Amino acid sequence: KAGVTQTPRYLIKTRGQQVTLSCSPISGHRSVSWYQQTPGQGLQFLFEYFSETQRNKGNFPGRFSGRQFSNSRSEMNVSTLELGDSALYLCATSQGQANTEAFFGQGTRLTVV
Amino acid sequence: GDSVTQMEGPVTLSEEAFLTINCTYTATGYPSLFWYVQYPGEGLQLLLKATKADDKGSNKGFEATYRKETTSFHLEKGSVQVSDSAVYFCVSNSGYALNFGKGTSLLVTP
Repeated sequence: KAGVTQTPRYLIKTRGQQVTLSCSPISGHRSVSWYQQTPGQGLQFLFEYFSETQRNKGNFPGRFSGRQFSNSRSEMNVSTLELGDSALYLCATSQGQANTEAFFGQGTRLTVV
Repeated sequence: GDSVTQMEGPVTLSEEAFLTINCTYTATGYPSLFWYVQYPGEGLQLLLKATKADDKGSNKGFEATYRKETTSFHLEKGSVQVSDSAVYFCVSNSGYALNFGKGTSLLVTP
């Protein structure tokens, strides 16, 4: 079956702009999580959605937000972009039980200039 | 909160050498443990997992055993190949979010 699909793969934005990233989960997966990967901080958890509700949240400012649709697809939005937001944003999906593995998309590489 | 500590890289090995990447965890509950691998320019792939104490996860010649007494989940492979060159992440999950170690970069030379 199809894997996790993230679009777009690459983005270049200017400081102050906003951006929306998309993630389509594996069929049957109801949980979608987002992670930020940078060389300095490694992989950091942003938030997790399950059945259209944010169930868990990491320690990121309110400029980072997300939502999940009834078909489990998720979007992540970053407003008022800063240079430090340049990163690889990874989406991971699972069936939603606790303590389970997740399956990752290939990521969206965001560059803020 | 939960955390994972793994040995810093980069690790450089010759082909057919033995690999060990150390990983320890702290958790308030009873986490599941995973090793993920990231090849250059790609997302993360699940390499192996263990869900309870003394479980051994294995895949593609890699192994790791969940040791509750030492809170460890060390990754081992008896004979590495050039194609194993990648970044390896030790990961825990005791809820709904994955906790990642910093990653260990492995380079295998012919």
